[in-house]
Amino acid sequence: DTAVSQTPKYLVTQMGNDKSIKCEQNLGHDTMYWYKQDSKKFLKIMFSYNNKELIINETVPNRFSPKSPDKAHLNLHINSLELGDSAVYFCASSHSLAGAYNEQFFGPGTRLTVL
Amino acid sequence: AQSVSQHNHHVILSEAASLELGCNYSYGGTVNLFWYVQYPGQHLQLLLKYFSGDPLVKGIKGFEAEFIKSKFSFNLRKPSVQWSDTAEYFCAVNHGGATNKLIFGTGTLLAIQP
Repeated sequence: DTAVSQTPKYLVTQMGNDKSIKCEQNLGHDTMYWYKQDSKKFLKIMFSYNNKELIINETVPNRFSPKSPDKAHLNLHINSLELGDSAVYFCASSHSLAGAYNEQFFGPGTRLTVL
Repeated sequence: AQSVSQHNHHVILSEAASLELGCNYSYGGTVNLFWYVQYPGQHLQLLLKYFSGDPLVKGIKGFEAEFIKSKFSFNLRKPSVQWSDTAEYFCAVNHGGATNKLIFGTGTLLAIQP
């Protein structure tokens, strides 16, 4: 059973295009995240949603727009793609129990290449 | 700003050698600490975590890590590595709070020679 899944796994596109990456989790979690891993393998959080509400937005260009239609899904739409957007994008999910750290479970990643 | 430093960017060891990967963080308050592993072509998996209590934590696959508060460190260790341990290892910090945000180090690529 896949816990956190992402589609597509690979995405190759031209500069200026608009693309979306989808994420779904079947763990019953209420919080989902998007992370970006650059070419040097540095991982940085981009967004977090809790119960469809945005709770983290880490100074990401507004060309990136996350959308959470329900607790189990968090999609990432990117407008006007730039070369610097090339990276691996990881989705993650967790519970959000108050007063505790909640382990994040990661998806397999989507490798985006902008030409 | 909080940060996590992993000093070893690339480590090459022979099988059966002992491993220690360094991790230091900059946050002065209460922290939760983690080591994640990313095998080639795979997603991140949690190796071990520290929240409180015994500063020596045991994880999966024979890994352990020691939290030394005075040194702001959380080094990962394994007494005898295997070829299958070849992977990228990430240290991460979370200081609690509502956002549950993880801050990652830059990763250490570990290559084990058979």
